[in-house]
Amino acid sequence: QKEVEQNSGPLSVPEGAIASLNCTYSDRVSQSFFWYRQYSGKSPELIMSIYSNGDKEDGRFTAQLNKASQYVSLLIRDSQPSDSATYLCAARPAGGYQKVTFGTGTKLQVIP
Amino acid sequence: SAVISQKPSRDICQRGTSLTIQCQVDSQVTMMFWYRQQPGQSLTLIATANQGSEATYESGFVIDKFPISRPNLTFSTLTVSNMSPEDSSIYLCSVGTGGNTEAFFGQGTRLTVV
Repeated sequence: QKEVEQNSGPLSVPEGAIASLNCTYSDRVSQSFFWYRQYSGKSPELIMSIYSNGDKEDGRFTAQLNKASQYVSLLIRDSQPSDSATYLCAARPAGGYQKVTFGTGTKLQVIP
Repeated sequence: SAVISQKPSRDICQRGTSLTIQCQVDSQVTMMFWYRQQPGQSLTLIATANQGSEATYESGFVIDKFPISRPNLTFSTLTVSNMSPEDSSIYLCSVGTGGNTEAFFGQGTRLTVV
């Protein structure tokens, strides 16, 4: 069983719409969760981190965490063509220098 | 956040040869991580490099194939040895500063083995 699971997509949304990206994780000791954006041929870029249950907003991005359901999501409001990329969900256990485990990523396409 | 410089950014290598990838961080970090991203795949951790000790390798990765050096708190190298076309991937250096902090990445090395 994969530790971090994502739908590979592609997820296609029209420009200006809300894109909803979802992620589930299997390891209950995971405490820190991250969303990375990766453009083709580039390295991952951190866009959001979340550690507590609930919502965390940063500009057009909102991360949601539900530890009881082992579920993390990323909402992108007012989607732009420049948001078209692969979004990687990642999880990390608490404490010390624990490794980050990545999902396989969801490819998002924002249609102008 | 840490600024991570990785080089080379890309290389085309002959099978059977070795390539050393360098990772330089602008601040002292305890742990450095090396990942591989094969075409169309997500990131797979190769090993964790802690200054002053041997690197810790993940299942499926061995020191003879991927030797790592960590001479100080700002620098690490990963060598891909005796390369084959299956080693063609993006190799990424990452750092974390412990606790709940995020992992930050270098710009990656795109390796093609012919």
